[in-house]
Amino acid sequence: SQQGEEDPQALSIQEGENATMNCSYKTSINNLQWYRQNSGRGLVHLILIRSNEREKHSGRLRVTLDTSKKSSSLLITASRAADTASYFCATGGNMLTFGGGTRLMVKP
Amino acid sequence: ETGVTQTPRHLVMGMTNKKSLKCEQHLGHNAMYWYKQSAKKPLELMFVYNFKEQTENNSVPSRFSPECPNSSHLFLHLHTLQPEDSALYLCASSQGGPNTEAFFGQGTRLTVV
Repeated sequence: SQQGEEDPQALSIQEGENATMNCSYKTSINNLQWYRQNSGRGLVHLILIRSNEREKHSGRLRVTLDTSKKSSSLLITASRAADTASYFCATGGNMLTFGGGTRLMVKP
Repeated sequence: ETGVTQTPRHLVMGMTNKKSLKCEQHLGHNAMYWYKQSAKKPLELMFVYNFKEQTENNSVPSRFSPECPNSSHLFLHLHTLQPEDSALYLCASSQGGPNTEAFFGQGTRLTVV
């Protein structure tokens, strides 16, 4: 069953702008992960945030987690055309369940 | 390059054919997974293997048959598929455990005609 739901489904921005994607989930979690997928290719792990963490950074990525609201957000700052991809949140430990993803397009 | 290799990258097969998808990981991971990604649908977890033992079968039709001969190799045997089985099939591996990331292969794009 689908655990995570990303919002929005699609996002189009100009290069240099920030992109924010949200994820909501249904059950309690140990951690939440974010992945990126370029068109028709495999997924690449971006960041893992544990249930006792509220915020985590990795380069231009910032992830927040609010377990009381069962939600997470992924912020990409100063976006680049190369950030164009689909972004997925996933929960479930070693049996990851993914949401439907957000398709991000960054226009040069 | 993630260390997880899938072959073939593309496959076209008829509904009466038998084919196999192969996945190999060189990361020393203990867990391997098959996912299905159809257009406009979330990734669906199909099978999970931990230490070569199948620990999850997510109500997958029997026309999909997984095989894990060792912790580095995973196969998905296909027979008498339907056109709706056309999708991107992704293999992944991980160390196992609740706080580990998954490493994905590039996928096999399967078209059933």
